[in-house]
Amino acid sequence: GQNIDQPTEMTATEGAIVQINCTYQTSGFNGLFWYQQHAGEAPTFLSYNVLDGLEEKGRFSSFLSRSKGYSYLLLKELQMKDSASYLCAVMDSNYQLIWGAGTKLIIKP
Amino acid sequence: DVKVTQSSRYLVKRTGEKVFLECVQDMDHENMFWYRQDPGLGLRLIYFSYDVKMKEKGDIPEGYSVSREKKERFSLILESASTNQTSMYLCASSFIGTSGVSYEQYFGPGTRLTVT
Repeated sequence: GQNIDQPTEMTATEGAIVQINCTYQTSGFNGLFWYQQHAGEAPTFLSYNVLDGLEEKGRFSSFLSRSKGYSYLLLKELQMKDSASYLCAVMDSNYQLIWGAGTKLIIKP
Repeated sequence: DVKVTQSSRYLVKRTGEKVFLECVQDMDHENMFWYRQDPGLGLRLIYFSYDVKMKEKGDIPEGYSVSREKKERFSLILESASTNQTSMYLCASSFIGTSGVSYEQYFGPGTRLTVT
């Protein structure tokens, strides 16, 4: 079966760095997406990785290792507004998105 | 900016009622999707459409139907609402690239449906 695993909840301190991991087992792979979702709001696109390596976009970076079925989202210089759920999703061989349950990130002052 | 709108943010319906959820996107996207989101579960795909009048079942289509008469509009229908359909419903749209690959999905604000 297809499976996406990510931690349910993480806590970090304002100004610090946090890494949110995602492991996946899917039928085929056509890229991995990270989305941010604030409570009560719609998910918004953060990043897309299809090749191995690190993609940096401001304070956020996303890493992919296809051989390990592994990705992480790295958030630097954490701000209170980064408190949100972070969703990992993999596009399978049918170009459908398989979603993880999301990681709720709590930022403390 | 891509805009996806949904007809209602909050909706309360009674068991057995027919419920219509409307979604409109303004970016001429080919693909449109309906998901439901429940605590502790990932987004689950109900139905999607890759063209006008085309529809495909997702992972959990039972109890739902859809309609896409115009490219910009995708409707989700609950024929006879039940309490286990109480959930957050999210609509999304995406563009199909020249290689046939779907790009990132853009989401509407969601409709929180309560069935009593």
